[in-house]
Amino acid sequence: DVKVTQSSRYLVKRTGEKVFLECVQDMDHENMFWYRQDPGLGLRLIYFSYDVKMKEKGDIPEGYSVSREKKERFSLILESASTNQTSMYLCASSADREREKLFFGSGTQLSVL
Amino acid sequence: AQKITQTQPGMFVQEKEAVTLDCTYDTSDQSYGLFWYKQPSSGEMIFLIYQGSYDEQNATEGRYSLNFQKARKSANLVISASQLGDSAMYFCAMREGGDSSYKLIFGSGTRLLVRP
Repeated sequence: DVKVTQSSRYLVKRTGEKVFLECVQDMDHENMFWYRQDPGLGLRLIYFSYDVKMKEKGDIPEGYSVSREKKERFSLILESASTNQTSMYLCASSADREREKLFFGSGTQLSVL
Repeated sequence: AQKITQTQPGMFVQEKEAVTLDCTYDTSDQSYGLFWYKQPSSGEMIFLIYQGSYDEQNATEGRYSLNFQKARKSANLVISASQLGDSAMYFCAMREGGDSSYKLIFGSGTRLLVRP
């Protein structure tokens, strides 16, 4: 069974803290993505990576950075968390040979107080 | 302008009946892809169906079919014989820029509730 695992289901942080969201996939997928989901806005792409150490900005990269040191792991970093980053964060991966099919993790609900 | 529009924030359907979830899109690309994903209460997004802009036939996957009307720029999802487990959020998405593109643009979603 294919799997995308996000390290935390729920996370509560304080304003100004550095936050790491971790995502691991076991499907040997080339591509990995970070989205945030907000009610009424759907999913918006923050960053994606198509190879190890490669990254591309999505639609809303401000306030975020990413790291992909290994093929299976893609980390989202909030350098200094702010209340407007309270959201559901979804990680996804896809294979180059079947790029239309994204596999998602269960999400991390982040609350910044 | 919104690229993907889902005008139904919420819908009800009776169990065993068919339901259509609307999706319209906006793109000037000739090559693009359209997708539907399901998100149950567990939070995980599940891929349902894909339609390429050059595909002449409507895509089908089991009880799911995509009613693709290119001239109208619509890509409605039809679920036949609804089941209680179909209750979930449904998202329409589009990939612009052909097969080399990585980015999916999502609509705001439709919450479907199946009544017993």
